[in-house]
Amino acid sequence: QKEVEQNSGPLSVPEGAIASLNCTYSDRGSQSFFWYRQYSGKSPELIMSIYSNGDKEDGRFTAQLNKASQYVSLLIRDSQPSDSATYLCAVTEGYSTLTFGKGTMLLVSP
Amino acid sequence: SAVISQKPSRDICQRGTSLTIQCQVDSQVTMMFWYRQQPGQSLTLIATANQGSEATYESGFVIDKFPISRPNLTFSTLTVSNMSPEDSSIYLCSAFLGGEDGYTFGSGTRLTVV
Repeated sequence: QKEVEQNSGPLSVPEGAIASLNCTYSDRGSQSFFWYRQYSGKSPELIMSIYSNGDKEDGRFTAQLNKASQYVSLLIRDSQPSDSATYLCAVTEGYSTLTFGKGTMLLVSP
Repeated sequence: SAVISQKPSRDICQRGTSLTIQCQVDSQVTMMFWYRQQPGQSLTLIATANQGSEATYESGFVIDKFPISRPNLTFSTLTVSNMSPEDSSIYLCSAFLGGEDGYTFGSGTRLTVV
């Protein structure tokens, strides 16, 4: 059974702070990793994809992957109230079905 | 990046009836997926739909209840059959677009069964 674990939160950070979201996965064969943002009542929106060990930066977002530790994280710098949402970690072995974590709710207070 | 159009966006249906949800991708894709998301929960995969073959259903989901069509590389439908209040949920289609686009989702269908 492939599992993806995330803290459900909520993770509360003040505006301007760094939010750190974490995810662990059970399948060592996993190759592709994705972070989605989901606002209440909306569909998931892809924020970052990462395929190799190390860091990947895109604007205020940095994804970090450590395959040896089976760990992937998302850092959000200069957090804004508009970043308040549920963040879903998703993993796949190849280009097949995604396994989702339960999501972490992020609350950014002004 | 490609766009996935899903409709209807919401519907209220009587128990015992069926609803067909449509999903249109503006580029050709090999794999499309159908998910269910109940309030406060994560996404649960219903089935994978590849063009030219029968859909592959996940444990707990059966073709008689959730028939899927995939007539071409840009379109798929999911039917929720003989609905009961327990089927009330958000249904999402998704497609693998590749590269940085990864897996993209339609806007979802909020179904309420009364």
